[in-house]
Amino acid sequence: TQLLEQSPQFLSIQEGENLTVYCNSSSVFSSLQWYRQEPGEGPVLLVTVVTGGEVKKLKRLTFQFGDARKDSSLHITAAQPGDTGLYLCAGADGNNRLAFGKGNQVVVIP
Amino acid sequence: NAGVTQTPKFQVLKTGQSMTLQCAQDMNHNSMYWYRQDPGMGLRLIYYSASEGTTDKGEVPNGYNVSRLNKREFSLRLESAAPSQTSVYFCASIFGQAALSGNTIYFGEGSWLTVV
Repeated sequence: TQLLEQSPQFLSIQEGENLTVYCNSSSVFSSLQWYRQEPGEGPVLLVTVVTGGEVKKLKRLTFQFGDARKDSSLHITAAQPGDTGLYLCAGADGNNRLAFGKGNQVVVIP
Repeated sequence: NAGVTQTPKFQVLKTGQSMTLQCAQDMNHNSMYWYRQDPGMGLRLIYYSASEGTTDKGEVPNGYNVSRLNKREFSLRLESAAPSQTSVYFCASIFGQAALSGNTIYFGEGSWLTVV
């Protein structure tokens, strides 16, 4: 089992502040994905990172894949209430299984 | 645009009862998955099917069985429900390999199961 540790588990910030959450593992992943999940719904894919050191931007969200492909971070600039949600990272193994971390619960206070 | 459809959305079972969660996708995807999500535990893989006719155990398969009936449908069965199986269940599908970039995994809306 490839364990994915996400930190912090819970984060509450004021609107307009920046935040960074992390996804770490002792295993190497061929790719890593970030999802956002809102209450009562399934996770929705935000981004997939594949190359070590890769940085992808999605509007105010910046995703980085570690050089060794064992960890990733998600940075949100000028957070808005609409960014509130559970952020999940997931890694794929060689057997086509997708394993998830426990998530980062982000709350942005207006 | 149905995507991934799960039924039922809500179900209450008594301990020992059996039931089947149905999942269907209309995107011609090869791989399908069943996850359960519990507070503070994230999503844990129960079973997956890489292609029609094949199924494999995930992280928490005990107490469950699956059937990949055809390319579209992947069902999850609880033969004798236990309170520990109270959870939210998500079905998901992906076109090719989960490890490949550019392949999006799509989730159903979830099935809330309570075992009393």
